[in-house]
Amino acid sequence: QSALTQPPSASGSPGQSVTISCTGTSSDVGGYNYVSWYQQHPGKAPKLIIYEVRKRPSGVPDRFSGSKSGNTASLTVSGVQAEDEADYYCSSYVGSYKYVFGTGTKVTVL
Amino acid sequence: EVQLVESGGGLVQPGGSLRLSCAASGFTFSSDWMNWVRQAPGKGLEWVANINQDGSETYYVDSVRGRFTISRDNAKNSLYLQMNSLRAEDTAVYYCARGLRWSDYWGQGTLVTLSS
Repeated sequence: QSALTQPPSASGSPGQSVTISCTGTSSDVGGYNYVSWYQQHPGKAPKLIIYEVRKRPSGVPDRFSGSKSGNTASLTVSGVQAEDEADYYCSSYVGSYKYVFGTGTKVTVL
Repeated sequence: EVQLVESGGGLVQPGGSLRLSCAASGFTFSSDWMNWVRQAPGKGLEWVANINQDGSETYYVDSVRGRFTISRDNAKNSLYLQMNSLRAEDTAVYYCARGLRWSDYWGQGTLVTLSS
């Protein structure tokens, strides 16, 4: 199972929107509504910010939103803030009780 | 409060073995799937293995199948990863994480370093 494809980097000024794509295949992203997104600050453990494509865990700001079209999922940070500067990883269930992560995107707040 | 605390990492020679542990608290451990996820230095996340609630089902990424064994002791609220025939490419921070189709809680990780 190959890693999902994400852009290496994305950036935006405070208050702007930043969108990250996550491209897979019909065997992963396109085949299941089990796409999740994780935020990881340097030296820290990943934190779940989106699950089941668009659901937010309690405590995650509503400026984070997820969507999916075909084999590509997206994470949008609306009104990016300085504390959103981090690495972001998508993940998809791929069946047979397994899952795969994306290649990761470093978000820089300018 | 949910807590996952990994231990057991360290420096090991290629071909060697290591057993990682993850102590869980703050939730009903026996009710959840558990995972090991690793991250090589400066690299992305890689799902390694998972185990169902009673330990009867285990699944692995192809690169570790036959070398790594995931297990759990629900009486001790603990998750384990036995790693044998270790290779240089197994160098990584190993995280335990809760959940099947997504992971809502993660430990802080334990570093495994392969070096001769």
